[in-house]
Amino acid sequence: AQSVAQPEDQVNVAEGNPLTVKCTYSVSGNPYLFWYVQYPNRGLQFLLKYITGDNLVKGSYGFEAEFNKSQTSFHLKKPSALVSDSALYFCAVRDNQAGNNRKLIWGLGTSLAVNP
Amino acid sequence: GAVVSQHPSWVICKSGTSVKIECRSLDFQATTMFWYRQFPKQSLMLMATSNEGSKATYEQGVEKDKFLINHASLTLSTLTVTSAHPEDSSFYICSAPPTSARYNEQFFGPGTRLTVL
Repeated sequence: AQSVAQPEDQVNVAEGNPLTVKCTYSVSGNPYLFWYVQYPNRGLQFLLKYITGDNLVKGSYGFEAEFNKSQTSFHLKKPSALVSDSALYFCAVRDNQAGNNRKLIWGLGTSLAVNP
Repeated sequence: GAVVSQHPSWVICKSGTSVKIECRSLDFQATTMFWYRQFPKQSLMLMATSNEGSKATYEQGVEKDKFLINHASLTLSTLTVTSAHPEDSSFYICSAPPTSARYNEQFFGPGTRLTVL
C-alpha cells in the first residue's frame, strides 16, 4: 500500500540551529514528493517538490529537501532555523494508482517549534 | 504561484441549516479540485475529488448526500454541508492542481472554519 510516514509529531529546535523534519514514503512507480507548510488557521503553502533530477531540491523560505531513493526518504532541512518557521509541516506523495487525478497521500504532519 | 480562494473564511450556523463553501482558482484552470477536512492539530482528511463536468468522487466513509459537491466551471467548485450538525464543525480546505502540465503541485485555499451551534 502507498503511504507517507512522518515519524516525529513534534520537532523542537533553537533559533539559528539547523533543522530536519523527516519523511519516508512507500509508493508504486516513480515518486512525486512534496512538502507543504501550514501556519495556524491557514491553508497549506507549497514549499518544494521532487519530480526528477537532482536529489537536493531547494524551495521557499530557505528550505531544502534531499531525495534518497535507497532509503525512500525525503527529509526537509534548513541550515538555520527562524522563530517564524514554527508551523505544521506536511510531506505528501502523489498517488500513482489514482490515474490522472493528481491525488496526494499525506503524512500526519510534524509540528515544528523554533525557540528563541 | 497560482492562487486559490475560499469563501467564506469562517461561518457560524445553526444546527439543521445548510452551508455552502466556494473554492475558486483565480489565475488558472483546474478540472479537478480536492476537498479536505482538518481537525485541530491533525492531518488532512481527503473528503472528495471534485471533477468539472461530472460527479464528484467521495472517499470511503464520507456521505455524499450530506456533503454536496458541484464543480460548475474550470475555476469554481462548491461544497455544501447539508443539515449541519455540531459534529460537522471543522476546518475545510480545498486545493487545486492546475490543468497545465507545468505544475505538479496542488495549490490550497486559505480554508473555511465552520462552527455549527
